[in-house]
Amino acid sequence: EAQVTQNPRYLITVTGKKLTVTCSQNMNHEYMSWYRQDPGLGLRQIYYSMNVEVTDKGDVPEGYKVSRKEKRNFPLILESPSPNQTSLYFCASSFFAGDRDEQFFGPGTRLTVL
Amino acid sequence: AQRVTQPEKLLSVFKGAPVELKCNYSYSGSPELFWYVQYSRQRLQLLLRHISRESIKGFTADLNKGETSFHLKKPFAQEEDSAMYYCALRAGGTSYGKLTFGQGTILTVHP
Repeated sequence: EAQVTQNPRYLITVTGKKLTVTCSQNMNHEYMSWYRQDPGLGLRQIYYSMNVEVTDKGDVPEGYKVSRKEKRNFPLILESPSPNQTSLYFCASSFFAGDRDEQFFGPGTRLTVL
Repeated sequence: AQRVTQPEKLLSVFKGAPVELKCNYSYSGSPELFWYVQYSRQRLQLLLRHISRESIKGFTADLNKGETSFHLKKPFAQEEDSAMYYCALRAGGTSYGKLTFGQGTILTVHP
């Protein structure tokens, strides 16, 4: 089944404790992206990747890191999480362009930083 | 900088009534615009894109460059249309991968 998976789905952590949220897709998509969803602010893009080893900042990259060493995986790293990073995080992937550029979203990861 | 504004957080209509979800954008180049929808307990999914000029589930959206708008319309709302709707803009040029979403509008269609 074609899908985007994220792990963990729920995470409660404490300020400063490094964490990684994994994202994996099995559709051979070139493009992958991370978003956070907050009430009243909608979805905001954190980072995106056009292909392996190619990443770029979205609108809210501060406090986050990403890497794209393989086409299928795009982990989101919080080196020193803070309470303002408490949010619902979505990963998405798509083909690069044209009429196949529909983004497929993961189920979301709910992160709480205490 | 690109920006997407959805002025209505909440929108309520009755079944069979017309519905319009507003989306305004700010972008200096030639935008690509999308509507995404999230039904209850489902993942966010693409509803339609302006390039395709298609009608999905009875919804249409026309890009109005003069008014910088991309409003989503449906002539007769159904209860199953109740969902969160996001308007999104994709940049061009060297920032092609950058996607900006609006704040979202929760549509409720009453029986």
